[in-house]
Amino acid sequence: KAGVTQTPRYLIKTRGQQVTLSCSPISGHRSVSWYQQTPGQGLQFLFEYFSETQRNKGNFPGRFSGRQFSNSRSEMNVSTLELGDSALYLCASSPGGSTAGNEQFFGPGTRLTVL
Amino acid sequence: GEDVEQSLFLSVREGDSSVINCTYTDSSSTYLYWYKQEPGAGLQLLTYIFSNMDMKQDQRLTVLLNKKDKHLSLRIADTQTGDSAIYFCAETESGSARQLTFGSGTQLTVLP
Repeated sequence: KAGVTQTPRYLIKTRGQQVTLSCSPISGHRSVSWYQQTPGQGLQFLFEYFSETQRNKGNFPGRFSGRQFSNSRSEMNVSTLELGDSALYLCASSPGGSTAGNEQFFGPGTRLTVL
Repeated sequence: GEDVEQSLFLSVREGDSSVINCTYTDSSSTYLYWYKQEPGAGLQLLTYIFSNMDMKQDQRLTVLLNKKDKHLSLRIADTQTGDSAIYFCAETESGSARQLTFGSGTQLTVLP
């Protein structure tokens, strides 16, 4: 089985711009979660999508949003970029159902740099 | 809110055992995880343990859970230079089964 894929792997943007990151989960997995990793704050949960619905949300401003498509692929969007949004954005895939295993498998991440 | 703490650094000699420790505060934690991150890479799931278990062994990895003290440890037997990485402890609580709360990570350095 192919693993979790994230595109693009690297991205450079300037303040005020917006960005869209993409994540394709493992085939058959219906849950996609997003995390932000920075040296200062570590790994922080952004949100989780399951069957095209946002099921859980972390403590991030409304500039951070996401969506999930019927094929379970997910995108996250950050509008009005700030320097502090520079981070590694990680996507995690899991089966997602209530009786499914709780393993979460991570993709390689998208490194976003905001100038 | 929940909190997960780890020591920042650990150095061991190749061939020795490594023990990475983690403490957590959330008494409703259901699953506890260990992830490995190598430079420039994402997170690799190493193993996880359900909160009603005390121990789990998987080849060179042994996870011990002391639920009373909210203490989790990862023991790596016969540590190799390829084990050098950052190791993250993480937990989820019931009701937020896929919202992981991570520790700050332990940088493991394996010396030849």
